[in-house]
Amino acid sequence: DAGVIQSPRHEVTEMGQEVTLRCKPISGHDYLFWYRQTMMRGLELLIYFNNNVPIDDSGMPEDRFSAKMPNASFSTLKIQPSEPRDSAVYFCASSSGTASYEQYFGPGTRLTVT
Amino acid sequence: GIQVEQSPPDLILQEGANSTLRCNFSDSVNNLQWFHQNPWGQLINLFYIPSGTKQNGRLSATTVATERYSLLYISSSQTTDSGVYFCAVYRLTGGGNKLTFGTGTQLKVEL
Repeated sequence: DAGVIQSPRHEVTEMGQEVTLRCKPISGHDYLFWYRQTMMRGLELLIYFNNNVPIDDSGMPEDRFSAKMPNASFSTLKIQPSEPRDSAVYFCASSSGTASYEQYFGPGTRLTVT
Repeated sequence: GIQVEQSPPDLILQEGANSTLRCNFSDSVNNLQWFHQNPWGQLINLFYIPSGTKQNGRLSATTVATERYSLLYISSSQTTDSGVYFCAVYRLTGGGNKLTFGTGTQLKVEL
């Protein structure tokens, strides 16, 4: 299995621009998670989906952030408009609710907003 | 919400030394994972361990859920063990399948 795939790996954008991060979970996994990692706040959960349905988005910082999962093999996290304080590493993870709840992480997207 | 504390926050070892990392959590949990974040930022699964002891090569982990802690043992450390070690816990009741991370232990292994 290829594991969780994220793209792009690095993104540099200017303040005010729209940013879209992409994730492909491990095939057969029915949970998908988006996390953000910063020096100040560590690793924090933003939102997670079960069977493509958003279950808990209480970690999404504000309305500028949105996430979708149109099918079982693809999810996006969008920031519009982006701000310098959004600079962070964004991780996607997936797990199987039937086999076990162990989560597997993608390589992350390092976002820099100037 | 649940609090996850890790100790020590920083650790420097000479290659070949052994170490024990600790994870304390403030409430009952359904499961627990240990991760290694390597210097390139990748989060690597080490153990998925709700209770008991597991071993994988030079690494082993023990979780005592009733006393709300877990330990990660690294034996005969190597420079490739450097990075940050995270403990993360699951609580399924009321919070769904949510993982809460500790603040990590930064490990540096020197020659």
